[in-house]
Amino acid sequence: NAGVTQTPKFRVLKTGQSMTLLCAQDMNHEYMYWYRQDPGMGLRLIHYSVGEGTTAKGEVPDGYNVSRLKKQNFLLGLESAAPSQTSVYFCASSYGGASYHQPQHFGDGTRLSIL
Amino acid sequence: AQSVTQLDSQVPVFEEAPVELRCNYSSSVSVYLFWYVQYPNQGLQLLLKYLSGSTLVKGINGFEAEFNKSQTSFHLRKPSVHISDTAEYFCAVSDQETSGSRLTFGEGTQLTVNP
Repeated sequence: NAGVTQTPKFRVLKTGQSMTLLCAQDMNHEYMYWYRQDPGMGLRLIHYSVGEGTTAKGEVPDGYNVSRLKKQNFLLGLESAAPSQTSVYFCASSYGGASYHQPQHFGDGTRLSIL
Repeated sequence: AQSVTQLDSQVPVFEEAPVELRCNYSSSVSVYLFWYVQYPNQGLQLLLKYLSGSTLVKGINGFEAEFNKSQTSFHLRKPSVHISDTAEYFCAVSDQETSGSRLTFGEGTQLTVNP
């Protein structure tokens, strides 16, 4: 019963390097989300997707790109990593929109450090 | 747009004592309300949610919350805590009009239960 799986769990990058975080869900959810968690700031939405082939900006999208080529996968990319992007990144998924009232299911997070 | 304020960043209590974690929100439209719990090095898990109906909502692990529309609050309570309740707790809102079921989180409250 995997739920939401994030890869990798830990990563250290140098400033300017690029990388992609992978999120996979096996619950056939339509909606997927990427958040970052920083001390004292809760979780902030980076980007989200309401279905395969769609993406939208969240609260803090700058410096990130996303893609949803397959329904079960949602990729988060950092093209040129900056120290300010050091954070814990969480992926989540849920069934359809607000009218379905469904909660979000979270992965265990990716801890990313930018030196 | 909506916002969430968790009034206490840290709440230390003794085992078997009651606890209340406070959450206030602001929104220009009707909202859905959630409490999530995060155990160390894990993702977030849903504790309970308020969608409509009875203002007293019961969740998992003996927690409950009361929605107070006039005070725009959604405080979380447990009559007797256990050591295993030590975790970070997040209050979140989702407005009923915007697509994508996006959540706005509070800053989090670290609950520490001491023996």
